[in-house]
Amino acid sequence: QKEVEQNSGPLSVPEGAIASLNCTYSDRGSQSFFWYRQYSGKSPELIMFIYSNGDKEDGRFTAQLNKASQYVSLLIRDSQPSDSATYLCAVDRGSTLGRLYFGRGTQLTVWP
Amino acid sequence: DTAVSQTPKYLVTQMGNDKSIKCEQNLGHDTMYWYKQDSKKFLKIMFSYNNKELIINETVPNRFSPKSPDKAHLNLHINSLELGDSAVYFCASSQGSGTVDHPSSYEQYFGPGTRLTVT
Repeated sequence: QKEVEQNSGPLSVPEGAIASLNCTYSDRGSQSFFWYRQYSGKSPELIMFIYSNGDKEDGRFTAQLNKASQYVSLLIRDSQPSDSATYLCAVDRGSTLGRLYFGRGTQLTVWP
Repeated sequence: DTAVSQTPKYLVTQMGNDKSIKCEQNLGHDTMYWYKQDSKKFLKIMFSYNNKELIINETVPNRFSPKSPDKAHLNLHINSLELGDSAVYFCASSQGSGTVDHPSSYEQYFGPGTRLTVT
């Protein structure tokens, strides 16, 4: 079983819609969860992190964490073409701090 | 004012050669990392150093050797390069190695990457 799983996509949404990106993880002891955005040919950029169950909002982005279901999601409201990128979910299991396990990413395309 | 920089950006070399990639951060962070991203975009940690001390040493061939002369620099030396080493290598840094009480220390900032092609 993979540590972190994401739908590879591509996920395609129209401009202005809500994009929903999902991630599941295998280690129930995982403590911290991160969403990175990676544009083609560029480096990953941290956009959200979440530690506690529930929702965390930052501008158009909302991260949702459900530890019981081992599930973390990222919602992007009012999607823009500039949001088109690969979104990487990363999990810190807490066994060795700073060791992040990444999913393979979901490719998002927002069409005008 | 590049926060995390890497050199070179591109590296093309032949099998069997030895090469190095350099990384520097000017964020004052204590922890630095090396990641490998393969052709399918899978990003996997290789090493991390905290204040020049090796913290994470994933299962990578011992042809890969990191070196941290000071906490602002982390270099990666690769001996006897193989075709399978072709990938993008990212350096990253964070304030600390991360604790739940200090969540900001978890944030890892990535360098621009070095695209290594072995022919």
